[in-house]
Amino acid sequence: DSGVTQTPKHLITATGQRVTLRCSPRSGDLSVYWYQQSLDQGLQFLIQYYNGEERAKGNILERFSAQQFPDLHSELNLSSLELGDSALYFCASSVFPTGNEQYFGPGTRLTVT
Amino acid sequence: AQKITQTQPGMFVQEKEAVTLDCTYDTSDPSYGLFWYKQPSSGEMIFLIYQGSYDQQNATEGRYSLNFQKARKSANLVISASQLGDSAMYFCAMRENSGGSNYKLTFGKGTLLTVNP
Repeated sequence: DSGVTQTPKHLITATGQRVTLRCSPRSGDLSVYWYQQSLDQGLQFLIQYYNGEERAKGNILERFSAQQFPDLHSELNLSSLELGDSALYFCASSVFPTGNEQYFGPGTRLTVT
Repeated sequence: AQKITQTQPGMFVQEKEAVTLDCTYDTSDPSYGLFWYKQPSSGEMIFLIYQGSYDQQNATEGRYSLNFQKARKSANLVISASQLGDSAMYFCAMRENSGGSNYKLTFGKGTLLTVNP
């Protein structure tokens, strides 16, 4: 158990819908990262937050957004969902800036039908 | 150009034998970190080992060791005394440190390791 929690574990929804994925980092970790894992794109970095502020953006679509709250949990919002958004979404956390490891949560498997 | 290359889509090894999973990387950043993660069929990503670009010695964690050859830009993972539970997908990843506070990881496509009894 990495100490990073993600809910829900599985999510099935229809095209055009909006969903919210939630992540709680390990105790003491201030930085949260979101990654998407799909069969065709592999593992891709989406976005990073540190202590409530956005720090870096990767291959995140405009239909996706995220935020980190004062209690450090983070949410990834996916809207106008398309079939191609079906993927495993991971949250990871680290002690920034001194921590080397990023610890991953169990992931949320999103299926868009 | 790909930043992380894992040339072995699949590998097979006999139980109790050692296996090396290859990883080469591409960066012009003098400061970077290299990681290996294990992803079993259940899906979670498990951190295995880390090597910093300035580390003088190869990293080791139990049965895992990282064969770091800086000049060749390779960071191969060596698993000694393979166990059936080592069967999983293995990902090599890199963090480039000179981008300020951007600590994102860039992943390779992975190697599927199967340990045979």
